[in-house]
Amino acid sequence: SAVISQKPSRDICQRGTSLTIQCQVDSQVTMMFWYRQQPGQSLTLIATANQGSEATYESGFVIDKFPISRPNLTFSTLTVSNMSPEDSSIYLCSVSDRLGEKLFFGSGTQLSVL
Amino acid sequence: AQSVSQHNHHVILSEAASLELGCNYSYGGTVNLFWYVQYPGQHLQLLLKYFSGDPLVKGIKGFEAEFIKSKFSFNLRKPSVQWSDTAEYFCAVESRGDDKIIFGKGTRLHILP
Repeated sequence: SAVISQKPSRDICQRGTSLTIQCQVDSQVTMMFWYRQQPGQSLTLIATANQGSEATYESGFVIDKFPISRPNLTFSTLTVSNMSPEDSSIYLCSVSDRLGEKLFFGSGTQLSVL
Repeated sequence: AQSVSQHNHHVILSEAASLELGCNYSYGGTVNLFWYVQYPGQHLQLLLKYFSGDPLVKGIKGFEAEFIKSKFSFNLRKPSVQWSDTAEYFCAVESRGDDKIIFGKGTRLHILP
């Protein structure tokens, strides 16, 4: 199984600022995923991050708002840019195992935007 | 685009009651199906999965789920729930070859002691 460390675990931010969330995995993984879980909602996939290429964004999410870096096979960052209260959510990093059979999740970042 | 529907948002049961949580998906192709559970204050974790073979899948902690292809359903069951099953349960679908998993909105299960 993969162990995923996510930082920060929570933050309270002012409107208009940006926050970068880090995701560190204890093993090399090909695909990393960023999800958002808004209050009372399900997990929504933001983007898929592959090492060495640009992230693939889902409908409703754009790179200018959620830039992603994937510098190597064990690390990724998600930035939430120009934040508004609607961005208040839990952001989750996840990875697939080598066989692609299971998603492992980080503990999440609880973001509150004032 | 694929989607996942969970019929119940909030379920309250007494201990020893039987549980069935509904899940339907919309996708015409071949899928992999999952149930994830999130206990209070913990990470999401895999409860069980279906890839192929026997459509009745057994997972951890006495849970099982049945894939009924004709109904596009993957309902989660447990014959006798325990207080420790209090958690949020998410059904999820992955279309084969797509490499991304789509989640339902979740069902919050509350077991009364």
